[in-house]
Amino acid sequence: QQQVKQSPQSLIVQKGGIPIINCAYENTAFDYFPWYQQFPGKGPALLIAIRPDVSEKKEGRFTISFNKSAKQFSLHIMDSQPGDSATYFCAAAHPSNTGKLIFGQGTTLQVKP
Amino acid sequence: DVKVTQSSRYLVKRTGEKVFLECVQDMDHENMFWYRQDPGLGLRLIYFSYDVKMKEKGDIPEGYSVSREKKERFSLILESASTNQTSMYLCASSLEGRQPQHFGDGTRLSIL
Repeated sequence: QQQVKQSPQSLIVQKGGIPIINCAYENTAFDYFPWYQQFPGKGPALLIAIRPDVSEKKEGRFTISFNKSAKQFSLHIMDSQPGDSATYFCAAAHPSNTGKLIFGQGTTLQVKP
Repeated sequence: DVKVTQSSRYLVKRTGEKVFLECVQDMDHENMFWYRQDPGLGLRLIYFSYDVKMKEKGDIPEGYSVSREKKERFSLILESASTNQTSMYLCASSLEGRQPQHFGDGTRLSIL
């Protein structure tokens, strides 16, 4: 019940395409859902985050869609660029508010020129 | 900018050795975390600390311990290294509660 399941494991798109990464969770007590982006040789960095009281959040070319009833959320990257090639992790905040996050398995995205 | 510094980028140790991984943050953050990253498994929490000398087990604490004697420093200890502890280790810190976690660039540890 503490897991976050992420798919697909890897994704290849052409420049300008719209990659979509999906995550699903079981614990309805989770109340904060961040996405982290990791470039090779670097640690992950926060990209965008959403709380379950909204169904969508946009920051630049990145959009999170949230479906509370289905317990699913997804990341869309509009007009993807080769510089977006990275590993993406979804996460859910542990309800104890200690700052603990439960991460998905990660998706490696390659955007071809 | 927040900086989280991990002492080594690459480390090679032998089975049975006691291994120390060090992490320092420069932003007076309350929370610090140690993760391991393995392909297909994502980031798995080993231990975290929400205050000096305070620690809690994460999801995979077996074979590890931690130390936080000062607020800015959080050490991960492999008591007796084994080959299944070969992995990328990531340290992170956050100000408090739901604030973003800031990660170091990782230590790739190989146990031979």
